[in-house]
Amino acid sequence: DTEVTQTPKHLVMGMTNKKSLKCEQHMGHRAMYWYKQKAKKPPELMFVYSYEKLSINESVPSRFSPECPNSSLLNLHLHALQPEDSALYLCASSQERGRGYEQYFGPGTRLTVT
Amino acid sequence: AQSVSQHNHHVILSEAASLELGCNYSYGGTVNLFWYVQYPGQHLQLLLKYFSGDPLVKGIKGFEAEFIKSKFSFNLRKPSVQWSDTAEYFCAVKWGGFKTIFGAGTRLFVKA
Repeated sequence: DTEVTQTPKHLVMGMTNKKSLKCEQHMGHRAMYWYKQKAKKPPELMFVYSYEKLSINESVPSRFSPECPNSSLLNLHLHALQPEDSALYLCASSQERGRGYEQYFGPGTRLTVT
Repeated sequence: AQSVSQHNHHVILSEAASLELGCNYSYGGTVNLFWYVQYPGQHLQLLLKYFSGDPLVKGIKGFEAEFIKSKFSFNLRKPSVQWSDTAEYFCAVKWGGFKTIFGAGTRLFVKA
C-alpha cells in the first residue's frame, strides 16, 4: 500500500474560523511533509516531521500549526487565515527524511479562505 | 541558493512525437533527482528517480531520464508520447538535507 490519504478534499473557511487538515499513511514511513501549492505553481515546502518531531519549518506564519500525534498521522491546524492562503495543501511521506528516499504524495486538500 | 530550472513551461506535441523536457539545478554535491507527474485532477506521482549508479534511469509509462553531472542536468525523455501523457511534469532535487525543491513545472499537451 503506497497511499497517503488526506481529509477533507475541499474546505471553505472564513478568516475567523479554526479548522484542521488531516493526513494519514500506513507505509511505516518516519518522515512526513506539508506542502502548499498555488495554481500553476510547484509545491512549496512548509514543514517536515521526522520521527514525530518537527525538523523543518520554512518560516511559515503561525496561523498554520502542524502536529504529528503519531508516526502515521499528520495534522495541519488552521486559524485566522487570509484569502491569500487559499491553495492546494499537499501531504507527503517518505521512509526516512534524508537522501535515498522518495516522497509519496496525497491528493491534497483544496482550501478556500473567504 | 539552491534552485531548480525547467526550461519549457508549455509544450504541445502530436501523438507519437518524441519528448524531451529539460531540468537543471543550481549547484552540485550529492543529489537525489526526481521527476513527478500530475495528471489533471490527480495527485503527484513519481515517474522516476535517480539516487546513484547508472545515470540513465527508466521509469514508469516508458519515460526515462539521464543525469549529466557535469551539466547539473536531469532531462526527461519519452520516444513516443500518447494523448494520455497530457499532464504537468515537475523536476525535483534533494541536496542532502530533508528539503526537496521543485522546478516550476512543464505543462505538456498532446494532441490526439
